Amino acid sequence: AQKVTQAQTEISVVEKEDVTLDCVYETRDTTYYLFWYKQPPSGELVFLIRRNSFDEQNEISGRYSWNFQKSTSSFNFTITASQVVDSAVYFCALSGTVIQGAQKLVFGQGTRLTINP
Amino acid sequence: EPEVTQTPSHQVTQMGQEVILRCVPISNHLYFYWYRQILGQKVEFLVSFYNNEISEKSEIFDDQFSVERPDGSNFTLKIRSTKLEDSAMYFCASSEAQGTEKLFFGSGTQLSVL
Repeated sequence: AQKVTQAQTEISVVEKEDVTLDCVYETRDTTYYLFWYKQPPSGELVFLIRRNSFDEQNEISGRYSWNFQKSTSSFNFTITASQVVDSAVYFCALSGTVIQGAQKLVFGQGTRLTINP
Repeated sequence: EPEVTQTPSHQVTQMGQEVILRCVPISNHLYFYWYRQILGQKVEFLVSFYNNEISEKSEIFDDQFSVERPDGSNFTLKIRSTKLEDSAMYFCASSEAQGTEKLFFGSGTQLSVL
C-alpha cells in the first residue's frame, strides 16, 4: 500500500522567514513519482513539481526548493523568504507504477501554511 | 496556460437526488480523473478514465457513481442517489500522455448534499 504522511498540520511564520514542509512516503514500487501541489484559499490545486524516484537531484525554482532523499523516503519542500501570497494548504502526493498510462495520486493530509505580515 | 474547466462551481442538492458534475479537460489530453476532498481532509482518488473506459477506480467509487465522456470535450461524474457523506469538493483532472505526467486539476465543484 502507498502512503504519504505530512506530519505538520499547520505552520505559521512571519513573512520573510524560511519554512520547510515535510513529506514522508511509503511505497513498494521501485519506480514512483512524487508531487507537490498548492491549494490557495480559492480552492484549486496548483501543480508545483513532479520528481521521479530515479532522480535524487535537488531542485530549486525561485524561492522554492525540494529535497528528495530516497534513504529516508522524504521529499521536503522549502520556501525561502516566505511571502503572504505563499499562504495556502500544501499537499505532497505519490504515484506508483502506472496502470495503462493512468496515474493514481495518493495525497498526504496537507500542511496549512500561514504567512503573517 | 491551458486549463481544466469544471461546472458548476457550487452545487446544492437534496439527499437522494441525482447530480452530474461536468468537466472540460484540456483538449489534447487523453487521461481523465476525478478526485474528491471532504472538507478539511486529504484529496482522494476516485476514478481514472482512458480510451473511453475506466482504467482504475477506488473503493469509494461504488455503483452510485458513474463517469462518461459523452462527446469529444466533456467528462462527467454522475452520482445517482446522493448521500450526506457525498458532500465534498470534486476535482476533475487530466493528463496528456502515458506515464506519470503532470496532472492538471480543475478548480473543483463544491457539492453540498442536504
